[in-house]
Amino acid sequence: DAGVIQSPRHEVTEMGQEVTLRCKPISGHDYLFWYRQTMMRGLELLIYFNNNVPIDDSGMPEDRFSAKMPNASFSTLKIQPSEPRDSAVYFCASSLGPGRGYNSPLHFGNGTRLTVT
Amino acid sequence: AQSVTQLGSHVSVSEGALVLLRCNYSSSVPPYLFWYVQYPNQGLQLLLKYTSAATLVKGINGFEAEFKKSETSFHLTKPSAHMSDAAEYFCAVSEGGGGSYIPTFGRGTSLIVHP
Repeated sequence: DAGVIQSPRHEVTEMGQEVTLRCKPISGHDYLFWYRQTMMRGLELLIYFNNNVPIDDSGMPEDRFSAKMPNASFSTLKIQPSEPRDSAVYFCASSLGPGRGYNSPLHFGNGTRLTVT
Repeated sequence: AQSVTQLGSHVSVSEGALVLLRCNYSSSVPPYLFWYVQYPNQGLQLLLKYTSAATLVKGINGFEAEFKKSETSFHLTKPSAHMSDAAEYFCAVSEGGGGSYIPTFGRGTSLIVHP
């Protein structure tokens, strides 16, 4: 089990550019989550998917943010156009979900550190 | 709605001393409770979880937590701190009994261990 894989680990871009973050969840996991972590706001849930379908995107800060999950093994989070205030660490996590028990924990990737200048 | 409060954004202890990280929750249904640890430049990892089988839960690296329903608490302890325990610790709650599976995380507590 390779765990949740995120790429890139670091991304530095200029304001206005498009940024795409990638995630490969653990095989067999039904739920996929995107989180953002900053010192000011802590860990924020942006969106989550169940069986590749977006369930709740109420945490997505603006229309500049979008997320897709075209299949069970891949998801992207896109920011277009990017702004300096988007600088944060973005985490992807996956889990078996409540169908296997409400105690199914989340498995996190190592994150993408985004810096927008 | 569920919520989590972690008292103290930073806790500082000496190596070998007792570690106590506090977590209080609110939930309208029986909760599932978790502690996660985050080392620098890494994602969160599960430390331990409470699932109603036992009120005292043992996790990895010598940590344990006790579920106290009357106090709505799930504090994390370790008898003797090690330098390698320095990290950020997050408490999280999910609602059982048909409630929301999606966990709510606390703001985290940074554990500092002095030599």
